Amino acid sequence: GAGVSQSPRYKVAKRGQDVALRCDPISGHVSLFWYQQALGQGPEFLTYFQNEAQLDKSGLPSDRFFAERPEGSVSTLKIQRTQQEDSAVYLCASSTGAYQPQHFGDGTRLSIL
Amino acid sequence: EDQVTQSPEALRLQEGESSSLNCSYTVSGLRGLFWYRQDPGKGPEFLFTLYSAGEEKEKERLKATLTKKESFLHITAPKPEDSATYLCAVQANTGFQKLVFGTGTRLLVSP
Repeated sequence: GAGVSQSPRYKVAKRGQDVALRCDPISGHVSLFWYQQALGQGPEFLTYFQNEAQLDKSGLPSDRFFAERPEGSVSTLKIQRTQQEDSAVYLCASSTGAYQPQHFGDGTRLSIL
Repeated sequence: EDQVTQSPEALRLQEGESSSLNCSYTVSGLRGLFWYRQDPGKGPEFLFTLYSAGEEKEKERLKATLTKKESFLHITAPKPEDSATYLCAVQANTGFQKLVFGTGTRLLVSP
């Protein structure tokens, strides 16, 4: 079956621009997660949704980062006024429910010039 | 603060040369420990979940074990296609769902 799908796969933006990253989770998965992965590092948690409710946003690095999942399926991670330090791979993961294995997409590689 | 340390950072093996990867962790209360494989340019691929000390799980040439302080990923007679970065992550039982990852072990298996 289809896995987690993320788009775009690559995004280049100039410093100060706003970007939006999309995640299509596995069908029927109620839990959705966003992680940020710097080069040579493990993924770092950003935020978590249970259906449409954002239950944990403790990992969002600043108020420039915003995530939503309005209908409990597709999610968008938005970064406003991008900075060079925002350059990273942004990974989305979904799971069937609480404490179940998280399945990852291939990520969006964001480069800020 | 929950923390995961993986060693070695990089490991080079000859095909057929068995070895082990280490994952040491500190967590307020362990809900589960996860192993993932990540290929370049791809997202992490789920391998195993371990829940309690003494538990073991196997998949082909891989076997994961868990103690109260660390986990090992044993690779038996590896093949070049096992080359990847192996990530370990912990999930606490505090009610939060997030995974806390280590920095991974880069494994290269030469023919």
